[in-house]
Amino acid sequence: QKEVEQNSGPLSVPEGAIASLNCTYSDRVSQSFFWYRQYSGKSPELIMSIYSNGDKEDGRFTAQLNKASQYVSLLIRDSQPSDSATYLCAVNEGGSQGNLIFGKGTKLSVKP
Amino acid sequence: GAVVSQHPSRVICKSGTSVKIECRSLDFQATTMFWYRQFPKQSLMLMATSNEGSKATYEQGVEKDKFLINHASLTLSTLTVTSAHPEDSSFYICSAVVSGGTDTQYFGPGTRLTVL
Repeated sequence: QKEVEQNSGPLSVPEGAIASLNCTYSDRVSQSFFWYRQYSGKSPELIMSIYSNGDKEDGRFTAQLNKASQYVSLLIRDSQPSDSATYLCAVNEGGSQGNLIFGKGTKLSVKP
Repeated sequence: GAVVSQHPSRVICKSGTSVKIECRSLDFQATTMFWYRQFPKQSLMLMATSNEGSKATYEQGVEKDKFLINHASLTLSTLTVTSAHPEDSSFYICSAVVSGGTDTQYFGPGTRLTVL
């Protein structure tokens, strides 16, 4: 069974701090990794994709990928209350027609 | 770019009726679209993969005769919930992949179905 594991949280950080969200996956042949943000009652919104080992930065967000450890993370710098949401890690299912395996999500709460 | 719309955004129907939900890629062509369902406080559950011009691939446990999927064009996929019952009440979300692009899925805003 291919799995994507995330700590469900809630992860609480003060405004302005760095929020660190982690994800591990079981399928070694996965090549594409995504972070989505989902506000309560809304659909997921793509934050970042990452395909190569290392870091990828986009504004306040940095995704980190380590394929050897089967680990992907998302750092949010200067966290804002508006970042409070559930963050979903998704990994492509190797050999499939683009299917993504989603983690259950980590709920982040940024306190003013 | 990569905008996906869904219609309707919210629907309330009586038990036993059928409901059709449309998913459109507005500014790109999508050979493949996906249909998900999400119950309150639960994670996304993939229901089926929809490919333009061919039959949808359903996940285990999803009844293909109850959840009819038609992907008739490169910008439109429809999900019809037939003979809906209260247990079908959920948040239905579609996603689309840009034809010839990466495997990034772009999500529609979702349709909240309530069956009375």
